[in-house]
Amino acid sequence: DAKTTQPNSMESNEEEPVHLPCNHSTISGTDYIHWYRQLPSQGPEYVIHGLTSNVNNRMASLAIAEDRKSSTLILHRATLRDAAVYYCILRYTGANSKLTFGKGITLSVRP
Amino acid sequence: DAGVIQSPRHEVTEMGQEVTLRCKPISGHNSLFWYRQTMMRGLELLIYFNNNVPIDDSGMPEDRFSAKMPNASFSTLKIQPSEPRDSAVYFCASSLSSSGGVNEQFFGPGTRLTVL
Repeated sequence: DAKTTQPNSMESNEEEPVHLPCNHSTISGTDYIHWYRQLPSQGPEYVIHGLTSNVNNRMASLAIAEDRKSSTLILHRATLRDAAVYYCILRYTGANSKLTFGKGITLSVRP
Repeated sequence: DAGVIQSPRHEVTEMGQEVTLRCKPISGHNSLFWYRQTMMRGLELLIYFNNNVPIDDSGMPEDRFSAKMPNASFSTLKIQPSEPRDSAVYFCASSLSSSGGVNEQFFGPGTRLTVL
């Protein structure tokens, strides 16, 4: 599986935008970029995914580099509830594809 | 919808005992996943099923671990005999899987297993 590289941690202030980077230089043409997050003492939850174009949903935005070798998850206004571990995962498009979680990036949000 | 349901939420047992973890996926989902999470190894996929059939069990650590999915609404993960190194949080997840689809996985709250 193609791997992703994320910083170990990041800090943000409440109500400010947060940009979480992810490098995936060995991404293949059939890999989607998925982001999940895990709040403390909970299971992971889906955040967003994309293939080539930037994506927006109610939770976040995903900006994908033109060469697809990196991407950025954007939280437009961080809240205390956004403090979590964020996982950037590559997943191919097949029906039986699986998620392989790395260490993720731990986001802390200061009030 | 109640989401993915796991039981028990907490389990404390002694080394050598049999442990059975249970999972009820979201109704209508056709894929089910078992994960294990520890501080040292992070979140690892143990096994997953598609339409009740095991597709990939390469993550199952050893023969002491077994998983079954007798029908679309129930799965078990069994450890026999349990060892202290099996202590972890075990998550079950389900998804509606299709080729090219989002295949978003929905995770349960997890079972925290402690083997003494």
